Amino acid sequence: GESVGLHLPTLSVQEGDNSIINCAYSNSASDYFIWYKQESGKGPQFIIDIRSNMDKRQGQRVTVLLNKTVKHLSLQIAATQPGDSAVYFCAETPGTYKYIFGTGTRLKVLA
Amino acid sequence: GAGVSQTPSNKVTEKGKYVELRCDPISGHTALYWYRQSLGQGPEFLIYFQGTGAADDSGLPNDRFFAVRPEGSVSTLKIQRTERGDSAVYLCASSLDGVAGANVLTFGAGSRLTVL
Repeated sequence: GESVGLHLPTLSVQEGDNSIINCAYSNSASDYFIWYKQESGKGPQFIIDIRSNMDKRQGQRVTVLLNKTVKHLSLQIAATQPGDSAVYFCAETPGTYKYIFGTGTRLKVLA
Repeated sequence: GAGVSQTPSNKVTEKGKYVELRCDPISGHTALYWYRQSLGQGPEFLIYFQGTGAADDSGLPNDRFFAVRPEGSVSTLKIQRTERGDSAVYLCASSLDGVAGANVLTFGAGSRLTVL
C-alpha cells in the first residue's frame, strides 16, 4: 500500500526504549483529543483519547499528556516494539463531530 | 460488518472521468464521515452524515464532489470531471453517533484515487 507521509517529521527510537511523540493543537476551544496510529496502506487506528478536564490518561503501554496552557499534547509509548512503527496523528475537536487532524509524526523503531 | 469497508481499494482514472467510491460502515453506526488524505498530510474533513442526511458538507472542495447515503448505511462519494489534484486517499469512518467525545471514529482502509 501507499506509504503515508513520505515527508513527515520522523522519530527514530531503539527497540525497548520509550517514545514520546508531540503535537501542538490549534484551537483553544478543543475539548476532546485522540491519538491515531496509521500503518502503511491502512486507515488510522484509535490508540487513546483524553478530554480537556484531564491532563493525563494511561492505556496499555501508552500515556497521553495534555497541557492546555500551551495547547500541547503528547503520546508516550513504553518499551517501544517494532510493531509500533507507523505514522501517529493527533486529532482535536471543539465539541463537535468534526475532527481536525495534525500533520503526523513517523515513528521508526530500530532493532 | 466487523469493520468499515471501502471499495475499491485502488482506483486509477483519467482526467475528466467520473468516479464513485463506496463505504460500508459498521452495522448500527448512525454517523458516517468522509475524509481525504493527501501524501504527507493528516486526514482532512469532507462531509458528515447523521443517518441519511448530510449534516455538514462544508469540507467538500467544490461542486464536483458529492456524497449520498440514501438508506442511512452505505455511502457513496462521487467525483465528477476528475482532476489530477483529486489524487489522494479517501477515508471513510463511522461512529455510533456524532456526539464528540462519546464515540471514537473507526476508519476504513481507504480508497486510493490516482488521476492521470
